[in-house]
Amino acid sequence: NAGVTQTPKFQVLKTGQSMTLQCAQDMNHEYMSWYRQDPGMGLRLIHYSVGAGITDQGEVPNGYNVSRSTTEDFPLRLLSAAPSQTSVYFCASSYSIRESGNTIYFGEGSWLTVV
Amino acid sequence: KNQVEQSPQSLIILEGKNCTLQCNYTVSPFSNLRWYKQDTGRGPVSLTIMTFSENTKSNGRYTATLDADTKQSSLHITASQLSDSASYICVVSVVPFREGAGSYQLTFGKGTKLSVIP
Repeated sequence: NAGVTQTPKFQVLKTGQSMTLQCAQDMNHEYMSWYRQDPGMGLRLIHYSVGAGITDQGEVPNGYNVSRSTTEDFPLRLLSAAPSQTSVYFCASSYSIRESGNTIYFGEGSWLTVV
Repeated sequence: KNQVEQSPQSLIILEGKNCTLQCNYTVSPFSNLRWYKQDTGRGPVSLTIMTFSENTKSNGRYTATLDADTKQSSLHITASQLSDSASYICVVSVVPFREGAGSYQLTFGKGTKLSVIP
């Protein structure tokens, strides 16, 4: 049971490049989400999914794309990287976000620098 | 606007001492409150989850309290250890507009950075 696995751990991109952050969970969780964490700020929700084929925007979705073709995987795509997207990205999952009190599990983070 | 405020921003304590971290929130309607521990360079790890009907919950040397009337929570750490050095994040969950149909939205505090020194 690996929990929530994110790759890559570190990435440097040039402005305008695109890339995909991978996230996988092996707990059969319904709910998956992506957050970004910036210095001096709380985690902010980018996109989330309540099941395969269902995604929705969070607080800061601009510049990011997601899809959920399987229960296990929830990749985050940066379409055209900008320096403002330099951040630490966390993937999270939970059995269900429609029920109160379920533990939310976070991945180890992906450090992205856009130059 | 739903907000979660944590204090202090940072705290330094001696190993073996106790400490208390504070969390005030304006989130409404309230569903539950969570405390997470985030080690440097790692993802957050759940410590406690409390609903509005619970006013205290413990996890080893960590004890969280909740006063839903005043919208305040605290995390008390007993007999601190060097491994307690981390950021502690308070997270409040909002009841969805349509119970059972929407998704609970989470509001994260900025965290308190705790340093335990020998």
